[in-house]
Amino acid sequence: GQNIDQPTEMTATEGAIVQINCTYQTSGFNGLFWYQQHAGEAPTFLSYNVLDGLEEKGRFSSFLSRSKGYSYLLLKELQMKDSASYLCAVMDSNYQLIWGAGTKLIIKP
Amino acid sequence: DAGVIQSPRHEVTEMGQEVTLRCKPISGHDYLFWYRQTMMRGLELLIYFNNNVPIDDSGMPEDRFSAKMPNASFSTLKIQPSEPRDSAVYFCASSLSLLGASGGYTFGSGTRLTVV
Repeated sequence: GQNIDQPTEMTATEGAIVQINCTYQTSGFNGLFWYQQHAGEAPTFLSYNVLDGLEEKGRFSSFLSRSKGYSYLLLKELQMKDSASYLCAVMDSNYQLIWGAGTKLIIKP
Repeated sequence: DAGVIQSPRHEVTEMGQEVTLRCKPISGHDYLFWYRQTMMRGLELLIYFNNNVPIDDSGMPEDRFSAKMPNASFSTLKIQPSEPRDSAVYFCASSLSLLGASGGYTFGSGTRLTVV
């Protein structure tokens, strides 16, 4: 079966760095996505990785290792507004987007 | 662009009633997706359209659910009759492509459905 694993909840301190991991087992691979979802709101696109390596976009970076079925989202200089759920999703060989359950990130002052 | 527009934002209905959710995708987006999100099951794809044609409805729970896209700017998801287990947030999303590599899928604000 297809599976995406990510921690249920993480806590970090304002101004610090946090890494949210995602491991996946899917039928084929056409890219990995990270979305941010604030409570009561819609998911919003953060990043897309299809090749191995690190993609940096401001305070957020996303890393992919296809051989290990592994990705992480790195958030730097955490701000209170970064408190949200972070969803990892993988597009399989049939172009179906498989979603993880999400990681709830709590930022403390 | 105003983004993906969904209505209503909240819907409370009694079991057995018909519910219709509406979505206006971003102009020029050829793909439209209907998702359901619950705490227990997370985000689930119900159905998606390409150029107004339903492509994959394997995620539609049962015959009580139906979706239409009569034109490029409007889609509906209908539940008839509704049941308490249908309570969830229903999202509509649109994209330029199925892969959505350039910017992912753009989600609407969702409809929070409560069936009592």
